[in-house]
Amino acid sequence: AQKITQTQPGMFVQEKEAVTLDCTYDTSDPSYGLFWYKQPSSGEMIFLIYQGSYDQQNATEGRYSLNFQKARKSANLVISASQLGDSAMYFCAMRSFITGNTPLVFGKGTRLSVIA
Amino acid sequence: NAGVTQTPKFRVLKTGQSMTLLCAQDMNHEYMYWYRQDPGMGLRLIHYSVGEGTTAKGEVPDGYNVSRLKKQNFLLGLESAAPSQTSVYFCASRDYDEKLFFGSGTQLSVL
Repeated sequence: AQKITQTQPGMFVQEKEAVTLDCTYDTSDPSYGLFWYKQPSSGEMIFLIYQGSYDQQNATEGRYSLNFQKARKSANLVISASQLGDSAMYFCAMRSFITGNTPLVFGKGTRLSVIA
Repeated sequence: NAGVTQTPKFRVLKTGQSMTLLCAQDMNHEYMYWYRQDPGMGLRLIHYSVGEGTTAKGEVPDGYNVSRLKKQNFLLGLESAAPSQTSVYFCASRDYDEKLFFGSGTQLSVL
């Protein structure tokens, strides 16, 4: 079974600083994908970044990067130069690729608050 | 450029009433999902479908039924609503690309 753990219910960060949101996962499958989604107060789910288990390099998308440590089974999201608009809930998720049908499993989320 | 559309956006039910939530996607995606989101619980999978005419149970399927008669539509039904089903419901879809596209959510309250 797959499991995602996000141990930080809430985080605060000063505007323009970098912040790391933690995510650990548990799976016995060798092939899988890791995802981060942002949910602002408006409620929509916004895809941020994706990392495949066989990708050699850490994924980056603009100010977002994923610190992938396969041996530790961690996939932390790093947001650089935080902005007030980054205040939101952030969800880590994973999906096994052993079969094409396996759904995405989500963690419980981390609420990030950016302070001016 | 609609993507994934959920209707209705808000609904209030009395205990025991029934209702159907509609999810429609215009991206020709094979896979569709229904999640519920509760405070402190993240998103939990209710049911999903891997193609037209197929459905499968997720993590929290009890009290819900689904149907995928057409590829573009995925319906979530509550036959006899209970207060424990008060939640925000999200529909999502994907094709063989990994990214999941979400609808804007349905806020359901059961009194």
